[in-house]
Amino acid sequence: AAGVIQSPRHLIKEKRETATLKCYPIPRHDTVYWYQQGPGQDPQFLISFYEKMQSDKGSIPDRFSAQQFSDYHSELNMSSLELGDSALYFCASSPRPSGGAGNEQFFGPGTRLTVL
Amino acid sequence: AQKITQTQPGMFVQEKEAVTLDCTYDTSDQSYGLFWYKQPSSGEMIFLIYQGSYDEQNATEGRYSLNFQKARKSANLVISASQLGDSAMYFCAMSPDYNQGGKLIFGQGTELSVKP
Repeated sequence: AAGVIQSPRHLIKEKRETATLKCYPIPRHDTVYWYQQGPGQDPQFLISFYEKMQSDKGSIPDRFSAQQFSDYHSELNMSSLELGDSALYFCASSPRPSGGAGNEQFFGPGTRLTVL
Repeated sequence: AQKITQTQPGMFVQEKEAVTLDCTYDTSDQSYGLFWYKQPSSGEMIFLIYQGSYDEQNATEGRYSLNFQKARKSANLVISASQLGDSAMYFCAMSPDYNQGGKLIFGQGTELSVKP
């Protein structure tokens, strides 16, 4: 079965550089979520999109922006990178909710960002 | 605000035995969803099981079952017949709406080690 695809899998950047993370959801999933997981931490919600519109926003720094495109893939853009941005970034997708059943979010393998 | 608490930072279990991972949650909403995810050392987040707040029966998925006690606000994960491959970090998570899903709020995680 198709899974969520994230690219790149690993990324090394210098401080103050920019990074773009890409996410390709499972086909026919119309909701995309981004999470950040620091070392030894639980994942923290950043932002989500439903049908290409931002649906919710969490603790996402102003230096970060994201969007969902017409083919439902999403990109997370990160500028002025800081050492503290080093983390595992997950994208998750879920299908249209249907009365409580199947609200599962399926996670991609993550992009491990290291800022030096 | 919603909150998930996992009080067991680490657990050990003998291979082939059953183990219960604790999860309590705090919310004033009546509509919510509860999830368990497994994160092996490789880093990916694997969906295990889902329980909706209006579901009267406990969810089961193979060797995984969710012991849902609504009045006590607990959603413990039971793994039967533990296997060496079950060694991983386990996260309990909550979504804010039974019908619409939404962002996941994670607990701190429990690291499970299965001994041969």
